[in-house]
Amino acid sequence: DSGVTQTPKHLITATGQRVTLRCSPRSGDLSVYWYQQSLDQGLQFLIQYYNGEERAKGNILERFSAQQFPDLHSELNLSSLELGDSALYFCASSVGSIGGNEQFFGPGTRLTVL
Amino acid sequence: AQTVTQSQPEMSVQEAETVTLSCTYDTSESNYYLFWYKQPPSRQMILVIRQEAYKQQNATENRFSVNFQKAAKSFSLKISDSQLGDTAMYFCAFSTTSGTYKYIFGTGTRLKVLA
Repeated sequence: DSGVTQTPKHLITATGQRVTLRCSPRSGDLSVYWYQQSLDQGLQFLIQYYNGEERAKGNILERFSAQQFPDLHSELNLSSLELGDSALYFCASSVGSIGGNEQFFGPGTRLTVL
Repeated sequence: AQTVTQSQPEMSVQEAETVTLSCTYDTSESNYYLFWYKQPPSRQMILVIRQEAYKQQNATENRFSVNFQKAAKSFSLKISDSQLGDTAMYFCAFSTTSGTYKYIFGTGTRLKVLA
């Protein structure tokens, strides 16, 4: 158990809908990262927040947005969902903000768009 | 732009044997971090080993060690005394250390340890 929690574990929805994925980092970690893993693919970095502020941005679609709240939990919002958005979404956390920090990954949320 | 390439989609090894997974990368940065992550069938991502580019000494963690060749931009993972529990996808990853942070993962190598 990494100490990072993600909810829900599974999510099934329809095209065009909007969903919110939630992540709680390890106690003491200030950075939260979001990744997308499509079927049998590597991870695609989406976005990083550090202590409430956006720190780095990857290949995140405009239909996707994220935020980190004062209690440091984070939410990833996915809207106007398409079939291709079906994937495993991971959240990770680390103590600091620099790239070399060890990231601890949550168990992921599996999103299925029908 | 930074890239990470894992050219071996699948590998297998006999239990107790040694296996090496390959990873090459491309970057113009002078300092950066390289990682190997393990993803077992449970899908949980677990850090195996980490290497900072300016450190010449190869990182080791128990049965796991890397061969870091900075000039060749190569970062291979050696697993000694392979165990059944090592069966997993292994991802090589790269991150920058300053400026606009980038986190880039390779496409993975599926390793199967055979009894």
